Amino acid sequence: KNEVEQSPQNLTAQEGEFITINCSYSVGISALHWLQQHPGGGIVSLFMLSSGKKKHGRLIATINIQEKHSSLHITASHPRDSAVYICAVFGGATNKLIFGTGTLLAVQP
Amino acid sequence: NAGVTQTPKFQVLKTGQSMTLQCAQDMNHEYMSWYRQDPGMGLRLIHYSVGAGITDQGEVPNGYNVSRSTTEDFPLRLLSAAPSQTSVYFCASSYARGSYEQYFGPGTRLTVT
Repeated sequence: KNEVEQSPQNLTAQEGEFITINCSYSVGISALHWLQQHPGGGIVSLFMLSSGKKKHGRLIATINIQEKHSSLHITASHPRDSAVYICAVFGGATNKLIFGTGTLLAVQP
Repeated sequence: NAGVTQTPKFQVLKTGQSMTLQCAQDMNHEYMSWYRQDPGMGLRLIHYSVGAGITDQGEVPNGYNVSRSTTEDFPLRLLSAAPSQTSVYFCASSYARGSYEQYFGPGTRLTVT
């Protein structure tokens, strides 16, 4: 079993919909990252959090340390939000970043 | 600031050839790392460095070498390319090892035939 699991693997939404992407992990962590990867490759950091909730524009990330679970929410989704969203945790036995396999989001106009 | 830069963007190699993927950052970050991204898998750590002169192996180091002679540069060398090394390679940097924001380069798409 992977140490970081994301769901769903693929998600198609209509423009304007509220989107939730989930991340569960099985190791002790000191921080969790949400990353975005657009088609054609580059990866950018969206959030790093170790507790509670963070908001940036239409994106909200939450984490529940006790339940080992994080969610990334996108409000009023737009086609430009179409990307792969990657969850990564820092910690575990190796004290390094452990990545999920990503969620491919397509927002249709 | 240019952030993290990688060259080349694309590369095709024949089996057995060697090459170096370049990575540089201008943020004075101590921690730099190389990942490979393969379909259906999360990014996997190849090698990392916590500062100039210090490198260590990650999860999948076989077939790759690194060095860190300066804070800015962290090249990845493929010693004798194999088809299994066909992948997209990302260099990343952060202020230090630990829970810090990660900055990624644009990636190098490598095909080994």
